[in-house]
Amino acid sequence: QPQLQESGPGLVKPSETLSLICTVSGASISSSSYYWGWIRQPPGKGLEWIANIYYSGSTYYNASLKSRVIISIDTSERQFSLKLSSVTVADTAVYFCARYDAAAGFDYWGQGTLVTVAS
Amino acid sequence: DIQMTQSPSSLSASVGDRVTITCRASQGIANFLAWYQQKPGKGPKLLIYGGSTLQSGVPSRFSGSGSGTDFTLTISSLQPEDVATYYCQKYLSAPYTFGQGTKLEIK
Repeated sequence: QPQLQESGPGLVKPSETLSLICTVSGASISSSSYYWGWIRQPPGKGLEWIANIYYSGSTYYNASLKSRVIISIDTSERQFSLKLSSVTVADTAVYFCARYDAAAGFDYWGQGTLVTVAS
Repeated sequence: DIQMTQSPSSLSASVGDRVTITCRASQGIANFLAWYQQKPGKGPKLLIYGGSTLQSGVPSRFSGSGSGTDFTLTISSLQPEDVATYYCQKYLSAPYTFGQGTKLEIK
């Protein structure tokens, strides 16, 4: 059973870059059957898809965030990462990493990590 | 972009009740519709994909139906452990938009 774990700073200053890593265990991050993605949830609000990446490095971004987001993958470390630049308080959210199956949606999720943007 | 609209936004029902949540897509998405359950402090859990296919391990009291633009999640007999927020999501193509969620409580 795949397990995903998010890690990174819980506090980021406005205008700086938010950086998170998702470590995958129990499944191959190099599988050609799946993509890997990031989703966020502001406190008390709904879910917003941010980006997906394939093991080959192909990327897919939410247009509303695309100018500030970079998603990357390191198959040797079994990790993929998220960088969100020029953050504001509106980027305060719980950030989830998840595995994406094109036939089923996001089938396995991490527990999420809260990132607060504040000075 | 395709918008996903859920109704109701919140719902209170008694144990044993049949509960129905609806999700409407602003354009047709065939059956590329997933339903998730999220409990407080946890990541979402995939319940149903393909509009009606139950994910492995999900209790059979959950079912989904619909195709095109209108979809339904049904809990045939509400249990206390079903208290959660439920989200639909379209996954036909990016952006993978979620509905705004339906918060389900026990009366």
